[in-house]
Amino acid sequence: DSGVTQTPKHLITATGQRVTLRCSPRSGDLSVYWYQQSLDQGLQFLIQYYNGEERAKGNILERFSAQQFPDLHSELNLSSLELGDSALYFCASSTMRWSVAGGTDTQYFGPGTRLTVL
Amino acid sequence: GDSVTQMEGPVTLSEEAFLTINCTYTATGYPSLFWYVQYPGEGLQLLLKATKADDKGSNKGFEATYRKETTSFHLEKGSVQVSDSAVYFCALSHRGSTLGRLYFGRGTQLTVWP
Repeated sequence: DSGVTQTPKHLITATGQRVTLRCSPRSGDLSVYWYQQSLDQGLQFLIQYYNGEERAKGNILERFSAQQFPDLHSELNLSSLELGDSALYFCASSTMRWSVAGGTDTQYFGPGTRLTVL
Repeated sequence: GDSVTQMEGPVTLSEEAFLTINCTYTATGYPSLFWYVQYPGEGLQLLLKATKADDKGSNKGFEATYRKETTSFHLEKGSVQVSDSAVYFCALSHRGSTLGRLYFGRGTQLTVWP
């Protein structure tokens, strides 16, 4: 158990709909990352938040958005869903602290949310 | 841009066989390198990591050495078990202000037969 929780585990919805995926990071972790895993694209970075602020964007569609709340949990919102959005969505967290020196912290992954768009 | 290339699978081995999964990377500077494992129906688990050249990461009998001269981080295990059957991902991330996002390879499916 990584300590990162994601809900729901499975989500089945129809095209055009909107869904929200939730992630709770490990206790004390300030950074949250979202990744999408699909058969054709593999594992792709979507977006990162650090202590409530957006820090980096990857291959995230404009129909997708995310936020990190004061209690550090994060939500990924997917709207106007298309068949191609069907994938596993992972959240990861790390203790990375922002500093000039920087550093590389291990990212701990949640079990994922499997989204199926019909 | 930054990228990771790992050998295509699937890889099928008999129990106690030697395992090598090749991984090479393209990156500026000095990235950190990782191997993650994904067991069926589960999320990714960190298997091992190395943060500078010539470092060797090891865990559960798996090893990988950070080779800057060949930009490689090959995963090895001397004697695989059925329980090692999983998908293995090589990944890199950068230090400092470049935010720590992971760049993943496409994954290599390993199946070990008894």
